[in-house]
Amino acid sequence: DAGVIQSPRHEVTEMGQEVTLRCKPISGHNSLFWYRQTMMRGLELLIYFNNNVPIDDSGMPEDRFSAKMPNASFSTLKIQPSEPRDSAVYFCASKPTGSGQPQHFGDGTRLSIL
Amino acid sequence: DQQVKQNSPSLSVQEGRISILNCDYTNSMFDYFLWYKKYPAEGPTFLISISSIKDKNEDGRFTVFLNKSAKHLSLHIVPSQPGDSAVYFCAASEGEKLTFGTGTRLTIIP
Repeated sequence: DAGVIQSPRHEVTEMGQEVTLRCKPISGHNSLFWYRQTMMRGLELLIYFNNNVPIDDSGMPEDRFSAKMPNASFSTLKIQPSEPRDSAVYFCASKPTGSGQPQHFGDGTRLSIL
Repeated sequence: DQQVKQNSPSLSVQEGRISILNCDYTNSMFDYFLWYKKYPAEGPTFLISISSIKDKNEDGRFTVFLNKSAKHLSLHIVPSQPGDSAVYFCAASEGEKLTFGTGTRLTIIP
């Protein structure tokens, strides 16, 4: 079975450019999560969706970040304009409904903003 | 304010011996605790979990112990194998959300 699929795996772009990260969750999973991993802050939750609806976006750092989930099989995380401090690894995860069900992670997108 | 803490950034263990990874938490509302393993350039992989109403859960070489009064959990790996070398994250759930610790890098020495 396919796991969570993220694209691109690596992105290098210049400051000020728009960046779009993509995620395909595992089929049948109702919840989708976006995380950011940095050396300073570790793994932090940015936003999560349940049944395609954003439930908690309190982790989104600022208005430059936005996330959408237009359907059950696709989500995007957009940064516009990007800044060097946005450089990090961004992970997407999905899980089925139910307390205690584990989240399953994609392999991440390594983002470098020059 | 870190609600989930892994105070040991690294741990080295001889192959065949027991590895013990520790985790402390502060939020009494957490209902499940999970351990994830992460290799470089890959996403975290779920290993084992425990409900807050249990004190032990075992799966093969992996056992997780929960001490609610001390707000402490640990992951035991026995016997340790070279393939266990990775970063291990403790995580705690409240509803759908997970809060992660900062991870412990485990190195198994052949």
